[in-house]
Amino acid sequence: GAVVSQHPSWVICKSGTSVKIECRSLDFQATTMFWYRQFPKQSLMLMATSNEGSKATYEQGVEKDKFLINHASLTLSTLTVTSAHPEDSSFYICSARRQGLNEQFFGPGTRLTVL
Amino acid sequence: GENVEQHPSTLSVQEGDSAVIKCTYSDSASNYFPWYKQELGKRPQLIIDIRSNVGEKKDQRIAVTLNKTAKHFSLHITETQPEDSAVYFCAASRSGGYNKLIFGAGTRLAVHP
Repeated sequence: GAVVSQHPSWVICKSGTSVKIECRSLDFQATTMFWYRQFPKQSLMLMATSNEGSKATYEQGVEKDKFLINHASLTLSTLTVTSAHPEDSSFYICSARRQGLNEQFFGPGTRLTVL
Repeated sequence: GENVEQHPSTLSVQEGDSAVIKCTYSDSASNYFPWYKQELGKRPQLIIDIRSNVGEKKDQRIAVTLNKTAKHFSLHITETQPEDSAVYFCAASRSGGYNKLIFGAGTRLAVHP
């Protein structure tokens, strides 16, 4: 159990377009989901934390109007990168956590390339 | 703010040797300490975790130790194999609420045959 999927696995887009990434918990209800960004050879940087049905909590320095997060159900969270630019190119990874438990289960990641 | 420092950044060992990676955390309220293994282009995989009510935990060739007083925790891999080669991340978090994981910078482990 505890499988998290992400879609798409990779995406290439033109500068100025918006890209939506989906994160799904396939076999459990995720009360909290997390979105990370990882640049090459670097650690995971938390972007935001979202709880189902409430607004996401963004980390310092992350623009909430640029990275829109929606956690509409206990199994789905989406991250939309609006007006993407080349500097937004990165590996975006989500994770999900069951209520009351510490362990986070990670999705396979989405590699975003903005041309 | 909260911080987790991880050392070394790179580690090269011969197959069969042991590898040790160390982390220090700053938030004294942290009580959950997972270790993740990440292969190139893939998701982080939880390999072992420890909670603050224990000082050591072992799972086959992998062990983790925790010193709450010093705010240190370490990953020990014995009898290393080439397939252990990956980047390893430590993390720390509190329990409850919006508990977020604070990650270390990572250790790139290379196990040479």
